[in-house]
Amino acid sequence: RKEVEQDPGPFNVPEGATVAFNCTYSNSASQSFFWYRQDCRKEPKLLMSVYSSGNEDGRFTAQLNRASQYISLLIRDSKLSDSATYLCVVGPRGGSYIPTFGRGTSLIVHP
Amino acid sequence: EPEVTQTPSHQVTQMGQEVILRCVPISNHLYFYWYRQILGQKVEFLVSFYNNEISEKSEIFDDQFSVERPDGSNFTLKIRSTKLEDSAMYFCASSNTGQGYEQYFGPGTRLTVT
Repeated sequence: RKEVEQDPGPFNVPEGATVAFNCTYSNSASQSFFWYRQDCRKEPKLLMSVYSSGNEDGRFTAQLNRASQYISLLIRDSKLSDSATYLCVVGPRGGSYIPTFGRGTSLIVHP
Repeated sequence: EPEVTQTPSHQVTQMGQEVILRCVPISNHLYFYWYRQILGQKVEFLVSFYNNEISEKSEIFDDQFSVERPDGSNFTLKIRSTKLEDSAMYFCASSNTGQGYEQYFGPGTRLTVT
């Protein structure tokens, strides 16, 4: 099982749609979880941290399910500008602080 | 808004040559990182740096790689003898809240080894 696994997509949705991505991780000792956004040929940008209690930032909601070892990202009222690749990042693991990136889920929002 | 900067944006070099990639982290950050991303693949951790020494490194970060913080602002990645497979985007990142926490990435240096 890959350490951090994401459905690569692409998810092709109309403006205004709600879309959700999941990310599974293999190491139960993982302590911190993040969603990053990466535009084509650009750097990853932190979107939000994911806390045990879940967190919301405007149209974005992130959830953590430790029992099933996955995190999720929900985007409501999709905008054209949300089109990007969404990276799941998990870390640390065990005694290490090395973050592990997923390959990303591609989102395309169309008019 | 403070940001991480990297130079050059694109570096072309011949196999076997040495390259130095430069980064200026956010000024009050204490933890620094290098990552690479081969085109079409995932971001891979190379090394983390704190208190003027390497904290952790991945298996990718072998003897041909080294990092340095030569002064109070710059953070460099040196590849001693480049290989074709070193061609990738190299991202520098920094954070101020401890390893594994929120990191802020620079725009990257695209390294092309011919």
